[in-house]
Amino acid sequence: QEQLQEAGPGLVKPSETLSLTCTISGAPISSYYWNWVRQAPGKGLEWIGNIFYNGRTKYNPSLKSRVAISGDFSKNQFSLRLSSVTAADTAVYYCARNYGDSGSSYFGMDLWGQGTAVTVSS
Amino acid sequence: DIQMTQSPSTLSASIGDRITITCRASQSIVNWLAWYQQKPGKPPKLLIFKASYLESGVPSRFSGSGSGTEFTLTISGLQPEDFATYYCQQYISYSPYTFGQGTKLEIK
Repeated sequence: QEQLQEAGPGLVKPSETLSLTCTISGAPISSYYWNWVRQAPGKGLEWIGNIFYNGRTKYNPSLKSRVAISGDFSKNQFSLRLSSVTAADTAVYYCARNYGDSGSSYFGMDLWGQGTAVTVSS
Repeated sequence: DIQMTQSPSTLSASIGDRITITCRASQSIVNWLAWYQQKPGKPPKLLIFKASYLESGVPSRFSGSGSGTEFTLTISGLQPEDFATYYCQQYISYSPYTFGQGTKLEIK
């Protein structure tokens, strides 16, 4: 059964770096974009960025200066680092995949993790 | 960046109704559009991709249409399990992905 599972601290102090990992199980790695999406309490979905299995990344311009997505696909994992966090970064963080090639994604995000809640507070 | 605008923000409807949600892109995205359904406390679920293709396992009462900058999601014959929040998302290759702000479908 294909699954994604997010993991990381549920509480991060302001100005520190938020680090999350998504573990991929039962699913192929190649030919997919691996995404991070977040949802602040009571708000809509915000795409953070993604990494293709060849290591190419793309980011939301509004977060680009603070975000880094990396992959360790030999361990079936990819990760998110978000630096200099503030209360505005409090959200549920999801990992998700979408199929594509090195130039384009063809379908929507068809597999999602259950999400992990992160609170930014001192 | 490409902005996605959904309307309405909230929609009240009854079981059995046919409803339509609209999503407009700030520039052409051809047909690189997906629709998702989200229920409280759950991740989004993919319903439609490439504007009009039904994801496997999604009931046929869901349909999508449109191209360029204007798209619609239609649910024909609302069922109790359809009351949720719906999001559109563009994924054209040369732009960062963006979501619409969401449409909450409520029971009338």
